[in-house]
Amino acid sequence: KAGVTQTPRYLIKTRGQQVTLSCSPISGHRSVSWYQQTPGQGLQFLFEYFSETQRNKGNFPGRFSGRQFSNSRSEMNVSTLELGDSALYLCASRPDRLDNYGYTFGSGTRLTVV
Amino acid sequence: AQSVTQLDSQVPVFEEAPVELRCNYSSSVSVYLFWYVQYPNQGLQLLLKYLSGSTLVKGINGFEAEFNKSQTSFHLRKPSVHISDTAEYFCAVSDTHNFNKFYFGSGTKLNVKP
Repeated sequence: KAGVTQTPRYLIKTRGQQVTLSCSPISGHRSVSWYQQTPGQGLQFLFEYFSETQRNKGNFPGRFSGRQFSNSRSEMNVSTLELGDSALYLCASRPDRLDNYGYTFGSGTRLTVV
Repeated sequence: AQSVTQLDSQVPVFEEAPVELRCNYSSSVSVYLFWYVQYPNQGLQLLLKYLSGSTLVKGINGFEAEFNKSQTSFHLRKPSVHISDTAEYFCAVSDTHNFNKFYFGSGTKLNVKP
C-alpha cells in the first residue's frame, strides 16, 4: 500500500514569489492535514481538509491556503513568500475509522526561500 | 488548547542501555497521545498511540509508553537501544473531540553511542 506522497521534495523560491505544494494521501484516506516544521517553532498545524472542506485551521496568515480535490489529493499554496517561510512542509492523512486512528506522514517538501 | 512539553532536547545513551524519553501534556479535556520518530531528511513515522484502554502501550521497534493521567505524562521507553534508534522523537496530543489537529512537543534527539 503506497504511503503519503509529497511533491516536490525540494524547492527553492525567491522572496515575493508564490509556491504550490502537492500531497497525495493513502488510498481511501479522506482527512489530510498539513504541518510546518522549522527549527525555531517546531511542528505547527496549518490546516486539515476532509471531503474537499477545510475543517480546521491553524494560526497562520492568509498567505497560507490550501484545497482538497474530489480524489482527496491536496495542495497548499503560499503567496508572497518570506524568508521565514523556509521550512519542511509535511502532509499527513488518516483513515476514517477511529479505532485505527493515527496520521501517516509523508516525507515532506523542503522549501527554501532566498 | 493543548500543549506538550518534552523536557529533554537531547538524550545521549550507549548502545544496549535502556532509555526513557519524557513527555508531559496539558489539557482541560480528554486526549489521545502519540509518539512519532523522525529520521534525518524524512517525515514522521508513528511509533505508538494511546486512544483508550490499557495505559501501557506497545509500539514498533521495541518501544513502549505508559499513559499516566494523574501526572499528565506519556513517557516513551525502550529497554535496550540500538545505533539505528538514533533519531528525533516527537510526542503529540490531540483532543478527543477535535482529533484532527495535533499539538507536538519540541522533540527529543536520541543519540545512541557505540
